[in-house]
Amino acid sequence: AQTVTQSQPEMSVQEAETVTLSCTYDTSESDYYLFWYKQPPSRQMILVIRQEAYKQQNATENRFSVNFQKAAKSFSLKISDSQLGDAAMYFCAYRPGPDTASKLTFGTGTRLQVTL
Amino acid sequence: GAVVSQHPSWVICKSGTSVKIECRSLDFQATTMFWYRQFPKQSLMLMATSNEGSKATYEQGVEKDKFLINHASLTLSTLTVTSAHPEDSSFYICSASTTSGYNEQFFGPGTRLTVL
Repeated sequence: AQTVTQSQPEMSVQEAETVTLSCTYDTSESDYYLFWYKQPPSRQMILVIRQEAYKQQNATENRFSVNFQKAAKSFSLKISDSQLGDAAMYFCAYRPGPDTASKLTFGTGTRLQVTL
Repeated sequence: GAVVSQHPSWVICKSGTSVKIECRSLDFQATTMFWYRQFPKQSLMLMATSNEGSKATYEQGVEKDKFLINHASLTLSTLTVTSAHPEDSSFYICSASTTSGYNEQFFGPGTRLTVL
């Protein structure tokens, strides 16, 4: 079974600084997708970034980028120029293959605080 | 991105009664819908996966007679919590995916259930 591990229950970053959230996963699949979701206090899940395992290039979305290390099964999220609105729970998630009907496996989450 | 709505956003009921939660995809046809449960400060736990017109597939440990899921159309899935008890109090989130166009699940805003 696939597992997703987020070893940092809480992280804190100063506004305008950079923070990296860690995620590791375990799978025997060769084709899979990895996601970072943000859950603000409203509890609406928001997709931050997606990485296809077959792509070597790390995904980027504006201030958000990932460091995808396939051999190490590591998928960290870097938030640059942190803003107060980035404060939220962040969940790493895994999906086997391209089939959107496949279920997501979530990590336990990292709560990010952004301070002035 | 596509929009998923849930209704109601918050419901309070008496112990022993049944509660129905609706999940709608507003601008796309959801071939698959997922129901999650989230306890405070915890991750999302998948309860079941449903495909339109088929019986839902429940995760291990989830009572299918307790949590009735119906996915009668490509835009609507319902979760009915039968004979609710205080331990069923939780935050319930649905998500939907489609086989065309999008490569992700879209999440509803969630429903907070409180059983007195």
